Amino acid sequence: QKEVEQNSGPLSVPEGAIASLNCTYSDRGSQSFFWYRQYSGKSPELIMSIYSNGDKEDGRFTAQLNKASQYVSLLIRDSQPSDSATYLCAVGQDSGAGSYQLTFGKGTKLSVIP
Amino acid sequence: EPEVTQTPSHQVTQMGQEVILRCVPISNHLYFYWYRQILGQKVEFLVSFYNNEISEKSEIFDDQFSVERPDGSNFTLKIRSTKLEDSAMYFCAITVRAGDPYEQYFGPGTRLTVT
Repeated sequence: QKEVEQNSGPLSVPEGAIASLNCTYSDRGSQSFFWYRQYSGKSPELIMSIYSNGDKEDGRFTAQLNKASQYVSLLIRDSQPSDSATYLCAVGQDSGAGSYQLTFGKGTKLSVIP
Repeated sequence: EPEVTQTPSHQVTQMGQEVILRCVPISNHLYFYWYRQILGQKVEFLVSFYNNEISEKSEIFDDQFSVERPDGSNFTLKIRSTKLEDSAMYFCAITVRAGDPYEQYFGPGTRLTVT
């Protein structure tokens, strides 16, 4: 059973601070890792993807991957109230049958306090 | 970001009725997926569809579920005899790049309420 674990939060940070979100996964064969943002009542929105160990930066977002520790994180710099949402960690694996299904964590709710 | 629309946005149905949820990608995509999210729970994979056939399905996707792409564009999920526990948000997701089949973009979802 593939598992993706996240601290459900809520995580509260002041505006302008760095928000740090963490995720662990159980399947060592996982090949791709994603962070989605989900506002209440809305669909998941892809914000970051990472495939190799190390850091990947995109604007205010940095994703970090450590496959040996089966750990992936997301840093949000200069947090804004509009970043307040639930952040979903998703892990992908090629099933070899033309399917690349994602396994999601339950999400961490982030609240950025003005 | 690629556009995907889903209809209806909200569907209310009685237990035992059949529902069809539709996904309309704006351009031609390779892989299609259906996921669901029960209120307050994880997004769960239901089924993947590639080259006009099911490539993988989860344990949730039992005989009451079916998918098809009837006209080469719309991608539908049918639930034959709905149960109360089918109440959830249903999301269609697509991939756009052959070289990066993992990146999936979600449609806005259909909220299914079974009474």
